[in-house]
Amino acid sequence: GDSVTQMEGPVTLSEEAFLTINCTYTATGYPSLFWYVQYPGEGLQLLLKATKADDKGSNKGFEATYRKETTSFHLEKGSVQVSDSAVYFCARLTQGGSEKLVFGKGTKLTVNP
Amino acid sequence: GAGVSQTPSNKVTEKGKYVELRCDPISGHTALYWYRQSLGQGPEFLIYFQGTGAADDSGLPNDRFFAVRPEGSVSTLKIQRTERGDSAVYLCASSLNWLTGELFFGEGSRLTVL
Repeated sequence: GDSVTQMEGPVTLSEEAFLTINCTYTATGYPSLFWYVQYPGEGLQLLLKATKADDKGSNKGFEATYRKETTSFHLEKGSVQVSDSAVYFCARLTQGGSEKLVFGKGTKLTVNP
Repeated sequence: GAGVSQTPSNKVTEKGKYVELRCDPISGHTALYWYRQSLGQGPEFLIYFQGTGAADDSGLPNDRFFAVRPEGSVSTLKIQRTERGDSAVYLCASSLNWLTGELFFGEGSRLTVL
């Protein structure tokens, strides 16, 4: 079935380090792909999305490129800040009559000053 | 408020009791979703509404779970005969367009079944 797999955490980085969180999806069609973020004490919120192959989603310095060849949508940021500490979820939209989001397990990121 | 509101934020109950969780979506959002998030896991889909009707309830784990949205706005998730395995954070989200995947989530209702 439709699923996403993302790298297990937790991930701990120093401020200004480079971040990559890997995400792959099952290759049933070309679903829209998303990264959601959950900051401490807050609800999940959309970080970025891409709707077709080779699209790049970007927001708040984060980027992810939809790669159909590798069925991947890895999240990257060139220089993380302490305020980026959160749990990041990769998600895909299912297809075939009932569009709903399927989430990965989440990756907890901690950025130390 | 402007966001999705969920009540209660915390609910502790005993095994076998009945529980209701409420969601007040963003005004004007026709699509409403319920997800369940267990510790260390991503949100798992339960049900979604397009207007008043349940468009897809395939994620409800069994017939102890039921959800309504009688007027196309506020929704209530109802759990009968609660079990310890029902303990989780129940998330509600709403969306302007059900096809986009752009959901606005509430902060969740944490349910603990003793």
